[in-house]
Amino acid sequence: GAGVSQTPSNKVTEKGKYVELRCDPISGHTALYWYRQSLGQGPEFLIYFQGTGAADDSGLPNDRFFAVRPEGSVSTLKIQRTERGDSAVYLCASSLEGGRSPLHFGNGTRLTVT
Amino acid sequence: AQSVSQHNHHVILSEAASLELGCNYSYGGTVNLFWYVQYPGQHLQLLLKYFSGDPLVKGIKGFEAEFIKSKFSFNLRKPSVQWSDTAEYFCAVKGGSQGNLIFGKGTKLSVKP
Repeated sequence: GAGVSQTPSNKVTEKGKYVELRCDPISGHTALYWYRQSLGQGPEFLIYFQGTGAADDSGLPNDRFFAVRPEGSVSTLKIQRTERGDSAVYLCASSLEGGRSPLHFGNGTRLTVT
Repeated sequence: AQSVSQHNHHVILSEAASLELGCNYSYGGTVNLFWYVQYPGQHLQLLLKYFSGDPLVKGIKGFEAEFIKSKFSFNLRKPSVQWSDTAEYFCAVKGGSQGNLIFGKGTKLSVKP
């Protein structure tokens, strides 16, 4: 079946611009996660949704980062006033529910801020 | 807050050698433990998981991991690696029954043919 889909696969933007990254989870998965992975590092947790609500947003680095999931399916990660330090691969994952179900990851969006 | 430590940054082995990748976690309560693998150019995939019961868990492709509660460890093992095991391996922990999944920094495994 279809896996987690992330678009775009690559995004290049100028410092100070606004970007949106989209995630389509596996159908029926109620939990959705966003991670950020820099070169040589493990995935860094950003935010976790259970349904439409953010169950844990403690990983968002500052108020320039925001994520929504208005209908409990597709999610958008929004970054305002991008900085060069935001350059990374942004990973989305979904799971059946937030408990013991394993996470299924997308291929990620590689964001480059110039 | 939970954290995960992976001891080795890069491991280089010849084919047929045995593998053990270390993972230690920090969390005071019940944990769910995972190993994920990322093959070159591919997305993260689940290798194996531990929730409860037998502390020795078996995963795909001949991998296994042992949960040692007293050592807060969940080391990954494979008796005989293959060239196709070349990948990056991530240990991850989820505290309690809910919540987010925290990853270690990963260990890159290179297997020489």
